[in-house]
Amino acid sequence: DTGVSQDPRHKITKRGQNVTFRCDPISEHNRLYWYRQTLGQGPEFLTYFQNEAQLEKSRLLSDRFSAERPKGSFSTLEIQRTEQGDSAMYLCASSLAPGTGSGSKQETQYFGPGTRLLVL
Amino acid sequence: AQTVTQSQPEMSVQEAETVTLSCTYDTSESNYYLFWYKQPPSRQMILVIRQEAYKQQNATENRFSVNFQKAAKSFSLKISDSQLGDTAMYFCAFMIQWAGNMLTFGGGTRLMVKP
Repeated sequence: DTGVSQDPRHKITKRGQNVTFRCDPISEHNRLYWYRQTLGQGPEFLTYFQNEAQLEKSRLLSDRFSAERPKGSFSTLEIQRTEQGDSAMYLCASSLAPGTGSGSKQETQYFGPGTRLLVL
Repeated sequence: AQTVTQSQPEMSVQEAETVTLSCTYDTSESNYYLFWYKQPPSRQMILVIRQEAYKQQNATENRFSVNFQKAAKSFSLKISDSQLGDTAMYFCAFMIQWAGNMLTFGGGTRLMVKP
């Protein structure tokens, strides 16, 4: 199995600029999740997809954030008009939906290496 | 809403010794999963162990085992024969079963294994 991959691994941008991150899930996984992690804290849920459908969005996902998964494979997370408070690690995870796969692999989320964003 | 609490911000253990990390959670759900994830310095989040709430038997994975107390809503992780490579942040996480949605994480415990 190829694991979850994310690109870029690091991004430095100036306040007000737009940024876009990409996540490629484990190939057979139909669910894809985005989380945000600030320094020294646990990750916080942002949104998730099943195939191409975005099923849930957190209140943390302001109007400046948009996520897509157009063909049910990779996903992108865009932040418009970045603010210094957006500086964080953005984590992507993928899983098999309930009723797909078997045993302990079902519903377990596997994480990518993250994209570390710094907004100056 | 679910909450996960890790009351030990930092812990240390000597190499080859055993250490237990604590986690408590609060939920009104009956069917759920609990996880421990490990995040080494500047490296990605790795699954350590998973426990289904309906299973009475505690999960084990090699040197890692859990003590799951459903009535007390407690889920501790025991690491036996600690190794230098176990140095990492450890996160306890909760997920409602079959809803298949988000993980709720605790604040983490930073574990240092000393030689």
